[in-house]
Amino acid sequence: AQTVTQSQPEMSVQEAETVTLSCTYDTSENNYYLFWYKQPPSRQMILVIRQEAYKQQNATENRFSVNFQKAAKSFSLKISDSQLGDTAMYFCAFMPAFQGGSEKLVFGKGTKLTVNP
Amino acid sequence: EAQVTQNPRYLITVTGKKLTVTCSQNMNHEYMSWYRQDPGLGLRQIYYSMNVEVTDKGDVPEGYKVSRKEKRNFPLILESPSPNQTSLYFCASSSPGTGKVEQFFGPGTRLTVL
Repeated sequence: AQTVTQSQPEMSVQEAETVTLSCTYDTSENNYYLFWYKQPPSRQMILVIRQEAYKQQNATENRFSVNFQKAAKSFSLKISDSQLGDTAMYFCAFMPAFQGGSEKLVFGKGTKLTVNP
Repeated sequence: EAQVTQNPRYLITVTGKKLTVTCSQNMNHEYMSWYRQDPGLGLRQIYYSMNVEVTDKGDVPEGYKVSRKEKRNFPLILESPSPNQTSLYFCASSSPGTGKVEQFFGPGTRLTVL
């Protein structure tokens, strides 16, 4: 069974600084997808960034980028120029490319990020 | 606007009183899922559906039922709710056949069972 581990339950960062959230996963699959979701106080689940395992290039979305290390099974999220609106719970998630139709996302327990003014 | 809607958004009920949480999507997605979110556990899949009349259990199906009679709707049924089903519930939909690997989540339903 796949597992996702987020080792930092809580983190804080000063506005405009950079912060990195850690995520490791365990799988025997070779083809899969990794995601970071943001959950602000509104509770809405918002996709921040997605990485395909077969792509060596790290995904980026504006101020958000990932460091994907396939051999190490590591998938960290870097937030640059942190903004107050980045304050949220962040979930790392894994999904095998082929899983018989369940489309199941396996989530980590989350990291609560607070951006301080 | 493409979206997944859930109703109700908040619900307080008592043990044993049957309830249904509705989920509807307007994106013509084949796949729909229900997740529950509990503190310190992240989100876990309860049930999923690959298409109309095709449903199967996820990781935590005990105490729940689902149905998929129409492509857009995927209600979650708790026939005899218990306090351990107090949780935040999310419905999600996706259409992997389009090549887009992304699940769209509803706004969540906060359920409290007394």
